[in-house]
Amino acid sequence: GAGVSQSPRYKVAKRGQDVALRCDPISGHVSLFWYQQALGQGPEFLTYFQNEAQLDKSGLPSDRFFAERPEGSVSTLKIQRTQQEDSAVYLCASSRGTSGYEQYFGPGTRLTVT
Amino acid sequence: GENVEQHPSTLSVQEGDSAVIKCTYSDSASNYFPWYKQELGKRPQLIIDIRSNVGEKKDQRIAVTLNKTAKHFSLHITETQPEDSAVYFCAFGGTSYGKLTFGQGTILTVHP
Repeated sequence: GAGVSQSPRYKVAKRGQDVALRCDPISGHVSLFWYQQALGQGPEFLTYFQNEAQLDKSGLPSDRFFAERPEGSVSTLKIQRTQQEDSAVYLCASSRGTSGYEQYFGPGTRLTVT
Repeated sequence: GENVEQHPSTLSVQEGDSAVIKCTYSDSASNYFPWYKQELGKRPQLIIDIRSNVGEKKDQRIAVTLNKTAKHFSLHITETQPEDSAVYFCAFGGTSYGKLTFGQGTILTVHP
């Protein structure tokens, strides 16, 4: 079946621009996670949705980062006034239940801020 | 805060040898320990996981062992093949809505 998809795959933004990154989770998956992966590092947690409810946003690095999942399926991660330190790969993962077991990742969006 | 130490950072083996990667975690309440394989430019791929009610799990050439008392877990790959070359990440979770905390990764290179 279809896995997690993300778009765009690559995004170049000038410093100060706003960007929106989209995640399509596996159909029927209740949980959706966003992670940030810097070059040569492991993914770092940003935020978690259970259906449409954002239950944990403790990993968002600043108030310039905002995420939503209004209908409990597709999610969007928005970054306002991008900075160079925002350059990274943004990964989305989904899992069937609410325990966080068996998280399946999308291919990521590579964001480069110039 | 929560963290996990992963060793070694790089591992080079000959085809057919075994490879072992070890992780030590901080959160004693964790009950879920997955391993991911990530090839260059690709998504992390779940290859095996273990939950705290078992000490070992095996799937063909891959096995994971867990020692909750010592708070460490390991990935074992036997009969390595060149296609096993990738970055391997350990992680722990199962608390705090299931978010995963990842190690720094191990670059495994299998030489033909």
